[in-house]
Amino acid sequence: AQSVAQPEDQVNVAEGNPLTVKCTYSVSGNPYLFWYVQYPNRGLQFLLKYITGDNLVKGSYGFEAEFNKSQTSFHLKKPSALVSDSALYFCAVSRVNYGQNFVFGPGTRLSVLP
Amino acid sequence: DAGVTQSPTHLIKTRGQQVTLRCSPKSGHDTVSWYQQALGQGPQFIFQYYEEEERQRGNFPDRFSGHQFPNYSSELNVNALLLGDSALYLCASSLRDPGQTAGYTFGSGTRLTVV
Repeated sequence: AQSVAQPEDQVNVAEGNPLTVKCTYSVSGNPYLFWYVQYPNRGLQFLLKYITGDNLVKGSYGFEAEFNKSQTSFHLKKPSALVSDSALYFCAVSRVNYGQNFVFGPGTRLSVLP
Repeated sequence: DAGVTQSPTHLIKTRGQQVTLRCSPKSGHDTVSWYQQALGQGPQFIFQYYEEEERQRGNFPDRFSGHQFPNYSSELNVNALLLGDSALYLCASSLRDPGQTAGYTFGSGTRLTVV
């Protein structure tokens, strides 16, 4: 069975500092990995995905994520946080050739303090 | 270009009643998936529709059913509502992609409260 863990419920960071939101996953076979962001009273917005290739993936709004197969991790990063980055972040995994059935993590609330 | 549209945005129902939620996918998308997001949790996959048929289903009881119309729009029906069905219901559309590399476009959701 697939599963996703986001070990931190809440991450606080000062504006201008780098941020990291952690994600680890468990899946049989090769994973497809995604990050989504959710603002209050809104649906989820796509940030980036890892399918294959370069382990460092660049996405929207200056975010990037690094796929680490040996550690089964896919941490989300940004070099310089903005107050507007404050939101709920979800990591998701799906199995190769298993159709579009994503398993989401529980979410991490990011607060960027001015 | 319209994104994914869901209606209604909010809904209050009484335990035991039935509810229908509606979703119009993003223009050009042909596949609709439904997710349930309980408060403080990540979305959970309910089912996915493509070519007017349910293609995949998550771990949800038969009280949850759906439909996809020829114009690719979709409905989620929940019968015999329980208090635990209170959640944000998200519709996500995509192109049919057996390799599921494309990811979803999500709607803003329908907030269902069962009292």
